[in-house]
Amino acid sequence: EPEVTQTPSHQVTQMGQEVILRCVPISNHLYFYWYRQILGQKVEFLVSFYNNEISEKSEIFDDQFSVERPDGSNFTLKIRSTKLEDSAMYFCASSQFGTGGAGYTFGSGTRLTVV
Amino acid sequence: SQQGEEDPQALSIQEGENATMNCSYKTSINNLQWYRQNSGRGLVHLILIRSNEREKHSGRLRVTLDTSKKSSSLLITASRAADTASYFCATPPLEGRTSGSRLTFGEGTQLTVNP
Repeated sequence: EPEVTQTPSHQVTQMGQEVILRCVPISNHLYFYWYRQILGQKVEFLVSFYNNEISEKSEIFDDQFSVERPDGSNFTLKIRSTKLEDSAMYFCASSQFGTGGAGYTFGSGTRLTVV
Repeated sequence: SQQGEEDPQALSIQEGENATMNCSYKTSINNLQWYRQNSGRGLVHLILIRSNEREKHSGRLRVTLDTSKKSSSLLITASRAADTASYFCATPPLEGRTSGSRLTFGEGTQLTVNP
């Protein structure tokens, strides 16, 4: 069964450093998303991406965050200057339809620890 | 407003018993989706129920939806130790965006099935 692949599975970084989280969505999906889950809290939407541009972003997705689809397969989330409160699980997801009328496929996540 | 609140927050049962988890939401929906998350892992889509459906089955899963009460329930029958996980309900916006619709997740129910 097709899956969304995320790398790395764990990332430890110093506060203030830049990190790039990588995702390979399902090949025939056109809609891509990033979510995060702070330990013990609910899953929160960060951003959706379609047709090579951001289609929606949450209030969490401020100027320190950016997303990119550098080639035909990868989808990346960059955090420019990490803060302690950025420590969380980050999930990439993709969907075949944009309207939410079908399920989304999530990756296994990247656990980011900012020290 | 907070969309998607599950109860109970935690549920512990014996193998073979049925597990019922509930989800309430505040705004109108097109569909409601249930996801499973094993500890420290990604989210797995379990089942989607549309607003014009009242009940849906998939294997040992049974989902109901009551749009008048803005609530849904997930029933896992004949539970197994491997069902131990967190279960989340999630909803896309009523006015689905063709450019990618965010999912709003509930707090989740932590289910423990004891062998």
